[in-house]
Amino acid sequence: GAVVSQHPSRVICKSGTSVKIECRSLDFQATTMFWYRQFPKQSLMLMATSNEGSKATYEQGVEKDKFLINHASLTLSTLTVTSAHPEDSSFYICSAQRASGGSDTQYFGPGTRLTVL
Amino acid sequence: DAKTTQPTSMDCAEGRAANLPCNHSTISGNEYVYWYRQIHSQGPQYIIHGLKNNETNEMASLIITEDRKSSTLILPHATLRDTAVYYCIVRVPLIKAAGNKLTFGGGTRVLVKP
Repeated sequence: GAVVSQHPSRVICKSGTSVKIECRSLDFQATTMFWYRQFPKQSLMLMATSNEGSKATYEQGVEKDKFLINHASLTLSTLTVTSAHPEDSSFYICSAQRASGGSDTQYFGPGTRLTVL
Repeated sequence: DAKTTQPTSMDCAEGRAANLPCNHSTISGNEYVYWYRQIHSQGPQYIIHGLKNNETNEMASLIITEDRKSSTLILPHATLRDTAVYYCIVRVPLIKAAGNKLTFGGGTRVLVKP
């Protein structure tokens, strides 16, 4: 159990276009999902925390108008990179946390590699 | 800032046990110790977590010192597929609780050699 999927796994787009990345928890309900970004040879950096049915909470330095997050259901969160530029090229990874209480674990998706030309 | 310190890298022999240390001297009473690993170009994979007691699952064992200021992840029989970056993270696991976030440090780059 605890499988998280992401789609697409890889995307190449032109500068100025918008790209949507989907994150799904396949076998559990996730009240909270998280979005991370990872540049080459660096560690994961949290971008935002997404709670189902409410606005996302962004980390300092992350532009909320550029990285739009929607968490419309307990199994789906989307990240839209608007007006993408080459510096947005990165590995984007989501994670999902179960809705139940207790020592809940975050499970990660396989990641989406974004290349902006 | 990450609240843990780990060796930057370590080599392990295939078939032998790999012992990965982690220091978390400022851990709070309600924080758990989590271990994840990230194989190249993949999302992190959950390994194990614990609060006070030692834990074991099909992947690894987690040994937490009595004062909880450090822990060791043990991969009992390392294989080449265990080559990855291993992250030790302290966290409050409750949804919407302060300290719930996973903060990734540099991790330990483990290379399993034949």
